[in-house]
Amino acid sequence: GAGVSQSPSNKVTEKGKDVELRCDPISGHTALYWYRQSLGQGLEFLIYFQGNSAPDKSGLPSDRFSAERTGGSVSTLTIQRTQQEDSAVYLCASSSSTGGTGELFFGEGSRLTVL
Amino acid sequence: AQSVTQLDSHVSVSEGTPVLLRCNYSSSYSPSLFWYVQHPNKGLQLLLKYTSAATLVKGINGFEAEFKKSETSFHLTKPSAHMSDAAEYFCVVSDPRGYNKLIFGAGTRLAVHP
Repeated sequence: GAGVSQSPSNKVTEKGKDVELRCDPISGHTALYWYRQSLGQGLEFLIYFQGNSAPDKSGLPSDRFSAERTGGSVSTLTIQRTQQEDSAVYLCASSSSTGGTGELFFGEGSRLTVL
Repeated sequence: AQSVTQLDSHVSVSEGTPVLLRCNYSSSYSPSLFWYVQHPNKGLQLLLKYTSAATLVKGINGFEAEFKKSETSFHLTKPSAHMSDAAEYFCVVSDPRGYNKLIFGAGTRLAVHP
């Protein structure tokens, strides 16, 4: 597709369950980001992938969160043993730029609700 | 370290009147600055960006922003608001020394009344 695609668009789960969120970036974009947007708050950086380099995981809030990017394209964000405070919209973005001046293209997000 | 503060969480204007969304930043280096817009149930879209060229930056949909180093500000303006401008606006800072890690402000929700 032409834009960043995320799935599922909505996910409702029970506390303690694991969830996987998927991101399909724009073809050819080497950089991929995950952000979290909680109600009434700005975007919180989670993790960054650039090509074959080691990812920057500095934003992951706990060891229950992990992400991988296979073949330099699709990425999966996994949350284990979900908690109610994990409820948020998870946004994926991709970019063709490696510097600090490029535009990020965002998907529409995956809304996670933990009951 | 970089940070960004949006001074108003909500702004309400009448259609046809000017818009001012305020943003102050903190950066140890000359930053790159952005404004992104998020319409309801839509992904974020880049409005405009400043990357050390002209201090007055023009973006899409008639928006512009001025980089003022002395005031560490990057306020977003538009001369005349349209109903379709109602959305959440995010001021964003990036460290141009490194990769494209964007630090987002908390957002300003703009309401436009007829």
